[in-house]
Amino acid sequence: NAGVTQTPKFQVLKTGQSMTLQCAQDMNHEYMSWYRQDPGMGLRLIHYSVGAGITDQGEVPNGYNVSRSTTEDFPLRLLSAAPSQTSVYFCASSITGRETQYFGPGTRLLVL
Amino acid sequence: RKEVEQDPGPFNVPEGATVAFNCTYSNSASQSFFWYRQDCRKEPKLLMSVYSSGNEDGRFTAQLNRASQYISLLIRDSKLSDSATYLCRPTGGGNKLTFGTGTQLKVEL
Repeated sequence: NAGVTQTPKFQVLKTGQSMTLQCAQDMNHEYMSWYRQDPGMGLRLIHYSVGAGITDQGEVPNGYNVSRSTTEDFPLRLLSAAPSQTSVYFCASSITGRETQYFGPGTRLLVL
Repeated sequence: RKEVEQDPGPFNVPEGATVAFNCTYSNSASQSFFWYRQDCRKEPKLLMSVYSSGNEDGRFTAQLNRASQYISLLIRDSKLSDSATYLCRPTGGGNKLTFGTGTQLKVEL
């Protein structure tokens, strides 16, 4: 049982490049979410999903896309990276939105 | 008013001290609450769940005050290893799960 996994751990991008942050969980959780964490800002919700085929926007969705084709995977796509997207990104999953969330180890992204 | 508010700190306390910090929430429909601990550059991990008026786990006690809409975390006999950021997350606001910004605790010798 690996829990929540995220890849890559670190990434450096140039402005305008696109990339996908991967997130997978093996706990059969319906609810998955993406957060970004910046100094002094706490965890801010980007997008979330309550099940396969269902996604919705969080507080800071601009510049990011998600899809949920399977229960296990919830990738986050940066369409055209900007320096303002430099951050640490955490993926989390839970049975439902009312239960304990389990976090992945994070992806540290630097956009130059 | 923000959905979830926490004093960012840092709270600097000597080893062995008792320390408490609060988390205020705006949604009166919130039914359950979670305290997470986050070490520097690591992912948040669950510390405690609160489904009724409070919860206690060893040196950690969480108490809920629904009238004033805040939940507190009390740490007794602080240890160096308790140094971390403590994040609060209420539920009840639908599926948009919002965290507080966290309170930083530094336990010193």
